[in-house]
Amino acid sequence: GENVEQHPSTLSVQEGDSAVIKCTYSDSASNYFPWYKQELGKRPQLIIDIRSNVGEKKDQRIAVTLNKTAKHFSLHITETQPEDSAVYFCAAPKGNYGGSQGNLIFGKGTKLSVKP
Amino acid sequence: NAGVTQTPKFRVLKTGQSMTLLCAQDMNHEYMYWYRQDPGMGLRLIHYSVGEGTTAKGEVPDGYNVSRLKKQNFLLGLESAAPSQTSVYFCASSLQGGAFFGQGTRLTVV
Repeated sequence: GENVEQHPSTLSVQEGDSAVIKCTYSDSASNYFPWYKQELGKRPQLIIDIRSNVGEKKDQRIAVTLNKTAKHFSLHITETQPEDSAVYFCAAPKGNYGGSQGNLIFGKGTKLSVKP
Repeated sequence: NAGVTQTPKFRVLKTGQSMTLLCAQDMNHEYMYWYRQDPGMGLRLIHYSVGEGTTAKGEVPDGYNVSRLKKQNFLLGLESAAPSQTSVYFCASSLQGGAFFGQGTRLTVV
């Protein structure tokens, strides 16, 4: 089955610096890769996603890159702010997302702390 | 448009008791999921459904059952609660894109 590894488990940066979180997956058929942000006591919220036919996607200060050959994808946050502090989760589907196997497997999360 | 709503938000059970968690979504999504979240373990998939009347096992299905009789509802049942099932439970739904989560249910089994 799908195995999703996420690194690092904790990350501390100074305000204004960049943060990078990396995930690897095992199922070569995976075709959809979302990232979620979870603030303390809140529900996970989708912040950006990428499909396998695209190598990079940006949305203001966040971007996701995908390397299908190496089976890894990364979240990049630039010009970090204290409100970026949260736990970030990556996810990958078991098989072809949108088909008969519609489940997402999550990484264990990265706790990002942005120090003012 | 309420999105994904979970009931109840908090619950304390005694070992051996049973309960049902209800998830309702109003986005006409085909896929629905139940995850549990434990410290340091991330979100682990319990069961999921790809459409009305269908269910499938996820990563950690033991001790749980589910039903999807209506497209908008996905029920998670615990037949005989155990302390190891103390966790925060999240329901989610999706169509072809990212999953949208409910607010979570904090369950404590004593």
